Amino acid sequence: NAGVTQTPKFRVLKTGQSMTLLCAQDMNHEYMYWYRQDPGMGLRLIHYSVGEGTTAKGEVPDGYNVSRLKKQNFLLGLESAAPSQTSVYFCASSYGTGVEKLFFGSGTQLSVL
Amino acid sequence: DQQVKQNSPSLSVQEGRISILNCDYTNSMFDYFLWYKKYPAEGPTFLISISSIKDKNEDGRFTVFLNKSAKHLSLHIVPSQPGDSAVYFCAAPHSNSGYALNFGKGTSLLVTP
Repeated sequence: NAGVTQTPKFRVLKTGQSMTLLCAQDMNHEYMYWYRQDPGMGLRLIHYSVGEGTTAKGEVPDGYNVSRLKKQNFLLGLESAAPSQTSVYFCASSYGTGVEKLFFGSGTQLSVL
Repeated sequence: DQQVKQNSPSLSVQEGRISILNCDYTNSMFDYFLWYKKYPAEGPTFLISISSIKDKNEDGRFTVFLNKSAKHLSLHIVPSQPGDSAVYFCAAPHSNSGYALNFGKGTSLLVTP
């Protein structure tokens, strides 16, 4: 059982370049999330989705876009990368919200030069 | 605005002793709390949770205590083991973001032999 899979695991971008991070889950979860982790900042919610075809903004959505065309996939896009987006990105999924626990992927380390 | 606060960035404990990790929250509407554990280069994993209708929840060596009047919770690990060395995050579902989890900044626990 793969759980939550993130690709790529590492990426280096130049300022202004674009890229898409892919998250896939095989647990038939309705809810999916993108978080970023920065030193001393904990985990901050970027965007989330409550089901196929839906997305919503989290705490730090600026500079990112997301899409949930299929239930099992949640894509995070950076249209024009900035050094401030250097971070570790985690995707997570859950069956429900609130009391339901999240299952996380292993993360994507992104550096923007 | 950080609504879940972990004010101790790090904690060092000797093997066999008790580890106490603290978490404070500001939103009195929070009624469920979760603790996650994170090893380097891995995603966070669920550890233990507590509902606001309880003041204690225990799972093996891990116990979480909730003091609603003080808006404070703590995670106790007894006895601490070197394998418990990790970053621990306190989290609560936030109604403003579809009940996605709102995380604290984390506490890095080091258990020394």
